[in-house]
Amino acid sequence: DSGVTQTPKHLITATGQRVTLRCSPRSGDLSVYWYQQSLDQGLQFLIQYYNGEERAKGNILERFSAQQFPDLHSELNLSSLELGDSALYFCASSPQGGGTTGELFFGEGSRLTVL
Amino acid sequence: AQSVAQPEDQVNVAEGNPLTVKCTYSVSGNPYLFWYVQYPNRGLQFLLKYITGDNLVKGSYGFEAEFNKSQTSFHLKKPSALVSDSALYFCAVRDRVPGNTPLVFGKGTRLSVIA
Repeated sequence: DSGVTQTPKHLITATGQRVTLRCSPRSGDLSVYWYQQSLDQGLQFLIQYYNGEERAKGNILERFSAQQFPDLHSELNLSSLELGDSALYFCASSPQGGGTTGELFFGEGSRLTVL
Repeated sequence: AQSVAQPEDQVNVAEGNPLTVKCTYSVSGNPYLFWYVQYPNRGLQFLLKYITGDNLVKGSYGFEAEFNKSQTSFHLKKPSALVSDSALYFCAVRDRVPGNTPLVFGKGTRLSVIA
């Protein structure tokens, strides 16, 4: 158990809908990262927050947004969903911000299926 | 921009034989390098990392990896494979430059150890 909690584990929804994925980092970790895993694209970095502020942005679509709250949990909002958004979404946490030598601790992911 | 290549989608090896999972990287400066493993329906788990020092890095479950700067490689190895090693393996790199750079992952290599 990595200590990172993601909910929901599975989510099935329709095109055009909006969903919210939630992540609770390990106790004491200040950084939260979101990654998208799909069969054809592998593991893609979406966005990172550090202590409530956006720290780095990757290949995140404009339809997607995220935030980190004062209690350090994070939410990833996906809107106007398309079939291609079906993927496994991972949250990871680490104690520090960017440029560190430390490893990331991953949750078990939220599997999103868009029908 | 930093990138990682894992040239093999699938590696098959017999139980008890040595295994190698290949990884090459590209960064503008010097790298921090990582290996992660993903078991079915689970998040990624940290195996080992190269930060500095000895080019041969030892990690969890008997795995090791060798950093080769001239070949920009960081291949994962194990002297004797176990069936339980069957999983998806990801190589990742972070550029060792000031500021914030995210961890970039390869597309993964599926290791199948056959009894």
